[in-house]
Amino acid sequence: KQEVTQIPAALSVPEGENLVLNCSFTDSAIYNLQWFRQDPGKGLTSLLLIQSSQREQTSGRLNASLDKSSGRSTLYIAASQPGDSATYLCAANSGNMLTFGGGTRLMVKP
Amino acid sequence: GAGVSQTPSNKVTEKGKYVELRCDPISGHTALYWYRQSLGQGPEFLIYFQGTGAADDSGLPNDRFFAVRPEGSVSTLKIQRTERGDSAVYLCASTPTRASYNEQFFGPGTRLTVL
Repeated sequence: KQEVTQIPAALSVPEGENLVLNCSFTDSAIYNLQWFRQDPGKGLTSLLLIQSSQREQTSGRLNASLDKSSGRSTLYIAASQPGDSATYLCAANSGNMLTFGGGTRLMVKP
Repeated sequence: GAGVSQTPSNKVTEKGKYVELRCDPISGHTALYWYRQSLGQGPEFLIYFQGTGAADDSGLPNDRFFAVRPEGSVSTLKIQRTERGDSAVYLCASTPTRASYNEQFFGPGTRLTVL
């Protein structure tokens, strides 16, 4: 059974810092890995999708990497802004379902 | 175009009652998924439909939970004899085809509160 862990559970940084969110998964037989953003009381917004054959994906200030063999993915946020404050979730796609981590709650202080 | 929609956005019910939660996937999407998110946790898989049939219902917690998708579009998640532990946000997602590499697009969720 796939298990996904995100570290840290919470993170508070001053505006402008570059930061890294970590995601690890136990079963490397995945099709892809997705990173989501969730604002309080809201649904999931997809940020980046990395297929199993890819090493990384970039969108604006976000860069996600994937190392299937070691069961790890990282989300890099450059020049963080207060508007980046949210919960970030990673999810491993093993076929019929996504298995989510518990999320990292990010607070970016002005 | 329109995204995944879910109704109602909020549902408050009493313990023991029956509830139905509705999901309208993106038009033309053949695969549909239900997840449940408890407070402070990541979503957990419930059931996956390909067309009208449930291809994987391994995540349904017990036989009080049932879901249908009779015409291969709209889906309804049904919960009988609700319990306080069923309180959570129920999320629906869809993808264009059954291909496993597809990105899942999520709706805003239905927040269920069982008193």
